[in-house]
Amino acid sequence: DSGVTQTPKHLITATGQRVTLRCSPRSGDLSVYWYQQSLDQGLQFLIHYYNGEERAKGNILERFSAQQFPDLHSELNLSSLELGDSALYFCASSASGTSSYEQYFGPGTRLTVT
Amino acid sequence: AQSVTQLGSHVSVSEGALVLLRCNYSSSVPPYLFWYVQYPNQGLQLLLKYTTGATLVKGINGFEAEFKKSETSFHLTKPSAHMSDAAEYFCAVSDGNTGTASKLTFGTGTRLQVTL
Repeated sequence: DSGVTQTPKHLITATGQRVTLRCSPRSGDLSVYWYQQSLDQGLQFLIHYYNGEERAKGNILERFSAQQFPDLHSELNLSSLELGDSALYFCASSASGTSSYEQYFGPGTRLTVT
Repeated sequence: AQSVTQLGSHVSVSEGALVLLRCNYSSSVPPYLFWYVQYPNQGLQLLLKYTTGATLVKGINGFEAEFKKSETSFHLTKPSAHMSDAAEYFCAVSDGNTGTASKLTFGTGTRLQVTL
């Protein structure tokens, strides 16, 4: 158990809908990262928050947004869902925002868009 | 831009045999390198990391990796495979410059199969 929790574990929804994925980092970790894992794209970095502020964006669609709250939990919002958004979404946390600190991954949320 | 290449999407070894999973990186700055393992229906677990210092890095479950700058490689090895090692393994790189965005760039993964 990495100490990172993600809810829900599974999510099935229809095209055009909006969903929210939630992540609670390890106790004391200030950084939260979101990654998408799909068969065709592999593991892709989406976005990084550090202590409530956005630090970096990766291959994140405009339909997707995220935020980190004062209690350091984070939410990833996916809207106008398409079939291609079906994937595993991982959250990871780290003690710091710098590269040398390892990232601890949560168990993921499997999103299925029908 | 940083990238990693994992040679071999599938590797099969016999139980007790040497495990060698290959990873080559490309980075314009000194890289930080990581190996993660993913068991079915689970998240990624860190096996080991290289940041600075000793180039031979020991990790969990008997795995180790050696950073070779001249070969831009960070191959993962284990002297004797166990059935429980069957999983998918990912090599990842991040920018070694402190203070910059620390996203991980992953390779495509290598699925390790261990046979009796």
